[in-house]
Amino acid sequence: TQLLEQSPQFLSIQEGENLTVYCNSSSVFSSLQWYRQEPGEGPVLLVTVVTGGEVKKLKRLTFQFGDARKDSSLHITAAQPGDTGLYLCAGGSQGNLIFGKGTKLSVKP
Amino acid sequence: GAGVSQSPSNKVTEKGKDVELRCDPISGHTALYWYRQRLGQGLEFLIYFQGNSAPDKSGLPSDRFSAERTGESVSTLTIQRTQQEDSAVYLCASSTRTGPSYEQYFGPGTRLTVT
Repeated sequence: TQLLEQSPQFLSIQEGENLTVYCNSSSVFSSLQWYRQEPGEGPVLLVTVVTGGEVKKLKRLTFQFGDARKDSSLHITAAQPGDTGLYLCAGGSQGNLIFGKGTKLSVKP
Repeated sequence: GAGVSQSPSNKVTEKGKDVELRCDPISGHTALYWYRQRLGQGLEFLIYFQGNSAPDKSGLPSDRFSAERTGESVSTLTIQRTQQEDSAVYLCASSTRTGPSYEQYFGPGTRLTVT
């Protein structure tokens, strides 16, 4: 069974701080997606990475796919209250997505 | 155009009753997915439809769960003889193509509470 482990499970920081959250697996994935979910809403795709070692930037967010395509990280610079939410990673496998349990981020003003 | 819509947004039912959850995908999206999200958990894949192909039912947790989709339109997820452990948010997503690299657009979910 393919599993994606996300860490930390919860993170509470002050506005302006930097943070990194992780998504790890013992399995290789053909692609990896990061979603953000706000309370009462469905997840919204942030980025898809497909190549080992790939780095993508989305404003203050930096996503990296591990060289072996088994892990990924999301780094947020100068976090803002609007970044608050549940961050989910999802690995592509055999035509479907496998989701991690997420990191719940709270950014306090 | 409109995004993915789901109804009802909230459903409270008694243990043992049947429930039907509805999903209206984005027009033109051939792939449709159902997920279950328990409190504080990630998304658990239930079933997906791709065009007129046979659906992938590999994620359905028991034979009390079933889903239908007519062509490339509306889908209904039915849970028979509901149990308290069925309480969760049920999310529907649609996509232009199936496969792991294609963006899935999610609806707001139906929050099911079984009392």
